[in-house]
Amino acid sequence: QQQVRQSPQSLTVWEGETAILNCSYEDSTFNYFPWYQQFPGEGPALLISISSVSDKKEDGRFTIFFNKREKKLSLHITDSQPGDSATYFCAARTGNTRKLIFGLGTTLQVQP
Amino acid sequence: DAGVTQTPRHEVAEKGQTIILKCEPVSGHNDLFWYRQTKIQGLELLSYFRSKSLMEDGGAFKDRFKAEMLNSSFSTLKIQPTEPKDSAVYLCASRRLGLSSYEQYFGPGTRLTVL
Repeated sequence: QQQVRQSPQSLTVWEGETAILNCSYEDSTFNYFPWYQQFPGEGPALLISISSVSDKKEDGRFTIFFNKREKKLSLHITDSQPGDSATYFCAARTGNTRKLIFGLGTTLQVQP
Repeated sequence: DAGVTQTPRHEVAEKGQTIILKCEPVSGHNDLFWYRQTKIQGLELLSYFRSKSLMEDGGAFKDRFKAEMLNSSFSTLKIQPTEPKDSAVYLCASRRLGLSSYEQYFGPGTRLTVL
């Protein structure tokens, strides 16, 4: 059973729109949530991350919203660009381990 | 700094063969991770080294998968014998002590196809 779940599996938006990618988790000990971006033929790269003590983290056009009570978070990409087309992975880490648990990813396509 | 290097980028093997994948972490990084990536299972941790010591060997992957770190700048992942279900992308990632553990730097991966 996936401990970190992502939805939708794939998403298509038009250039300039806001893309919303969702993530939920089961384990209440998870305390750090990085999002990775992966382009075809490349490894994932850290995009933005949030700690469980925050409810929002912003970096340019990328914003994470975090709801600890509901164990949900979302990544908002505003003014989406074709260059944002990639697969986005939500991950989670507990304070007790140095491992990351990854979701299955959301593949985003931004149409010009 | 150079990023994580993985070789080869592509590997094709016959069922039953032994293959060895190679990884060079970012210079100065102490932690090294091996992952397997498939569309169905996503990213699964195979092995984790801290300062060359094996911290986790991936449970279900133990029997045919063996990762080694001979020195701080080189690691190998051996799959013996290979099976068609091993077809996947194998990713290596490294991390420097002192940074939060989510800051793993990934290599480009090796795409393995087992016939």
